[in-house]
Amino acid sequence: DQQVKQNSPSLSVQEGRISILNCDYTNSMFDYFLWYKKYPAEGPTFLISISSIKDKNEDGRFTVFLNKSAKHLSLHIVPSQPGDSAVYFCAASTNSGYALNFGKGTSLLVTP
Amino acid sequence: NAGVTQTPKFRILKIGQSMTLQCAQDMNHNYMYWYRQDPGMGLKLIYYSVGAGITDKGEVPNGYNVSRSTTEDFPLRLELAAPSQTSVYFCASRKNTEAFFGQGTRLTVV
Repeated sequence: DQQVKQNSPSLSVQEGRISILNCDYTNSMFDYFLWYKKYPAEGPTFLISISSIKDKNEDGRFTVFLNKSAKHLSLHIVPSQPGDSAVYFCAASTNSGYALNFGKGTSLLVTP
Repeated sequence: NAGVTQTPKFRILKIGQSMTLQCAQDMNHNYMYWYRQDPGMGLKLIYYSVGAGITDKGEVPNGYNVSRSTTEDFPLRLELAAPSQTSVYFCASRKNTEAFFGQGTRLTVV
């Protein structure tokens, strides 16, 4: 039972434009959400996170938005750069939980 | 900064063979995890540990075993390897909310 869902397997965006990656979750007990970035042949690396008490967190070109009522979060990358091309995983955890629950990932391709 | 170190990076096993995937972290994190990633899939939790001497099953533990004798090390043991265990294995450690991952071990069972 997939509790974290990324329904878009892939996304292609032109350099300089905005990339929007979406994530939905089903477990209302999740209270912390993270985005990880993964390049081929490497482990996932932490990108940005958001607590359920916030609805937005920004770090440079990356912004994560959380809509708790819709159980939906999104990652915005502005402006997109070719180096952003990677697989992006959405993950969620509960405050008392032991592990991160991951989505299947979205492969982002930023074209020049 | 070593972070989380996994060895080996690649391995080919024959059906029925056994092996141990090594994982070590130098951040003094209590929580450690083993995930596997199959093509087109997310990361699925195999086993986890909340501290030395304490381990528990995750979502897909069958065919694997773990031990946690020290805070630093969390090896994953495959007994009687099967083709279904062909995957990329990631070890991670965690303090508070963010998890740090190793570079992965690509295992092929033939």
